[in-house]
Amino acid sequence: AQSVAQPEDQVNVAEGNPLTVKCTYSVSGNPYLFWYVQYPNRGLQFLLKYITGDNLVKGSYGFEAEFNKSQTSFHLKKPSALVSDSALYFCAVTVTGAGSYQLTFGKGTKLSVIP
Amino acid sequence: GAGVSQSPSNKVTEKGKDVELRCDPISGHTALYWYRQSLGQGLEFLIYFQGNSAPDKSGLPSDRFSAERTGGSVSTLTIQRTQQEDSAVYLCASSRSPGNTEAFFGQGTRLTVV
Repeated sequence: AQSVAQPEDQVNVAEGNPLTVKCTYSVSGNPYLFWYVQYPNRGLQFLLKYITGDNLVKGSYGFEAEFNKSQTSFHLKKPSALVSDSALYFCAVTVTGAGSYQLTFGKGTKLSVIP
Repeated sequence: GAGVSQSPSNKVTEKGKDVELRCDPISGHTALYWYRQSLGQGLEFLIYFQGNSAPDKSGLPSDRFSAERTGGSVSTLTIQRTQQEDSAVYLCASSRSPGNTEAFFGQGTRLTVV
């Protein structure tokens, strides 16, 4: 069975500092990996995805993530955090060729950017 | 419409009643997902449709839960004999094709069973 772990329930970072939100995954096969963000009282929004190719992917709002196959990780990063980045972040995985494209989510990490 | 639409946005029902939750996906999206999000929790997968078929319904918590999709479009999630533990936000998402394309989420239906 596929799974996603987000080891930190909450991450606090000062505005202007770099941020990292961690994600590790477990699948049988080649993963497709996604990051979503959920702002208060709003739906989930897609940030970025890794399908194949370059391990460093860039997405919306200046976010990027690095796929590391050996460490089965897909950490979300941003060079300089904004207060408006404060939200709930979800990592998700699906796997190719498994017959079902169930999209499995982690439990989420609450990011708080402190002014 | 431009996005995934779910109705109703809020539903309060009495324990033991049946409820139907509706999802209108983005036009042309073949994959459709239902998730449940409880307060402070992550997204719990319920069921996935490809067209009108459900290749994966492994997340449905009990036989009180069922879902269908018609015309490759609208989907309905039905909960029979609702229980208090069914209270949650039910999210629907659709994607252009399964796997390598991102899913777009609706705003959800907040279900409260009293």
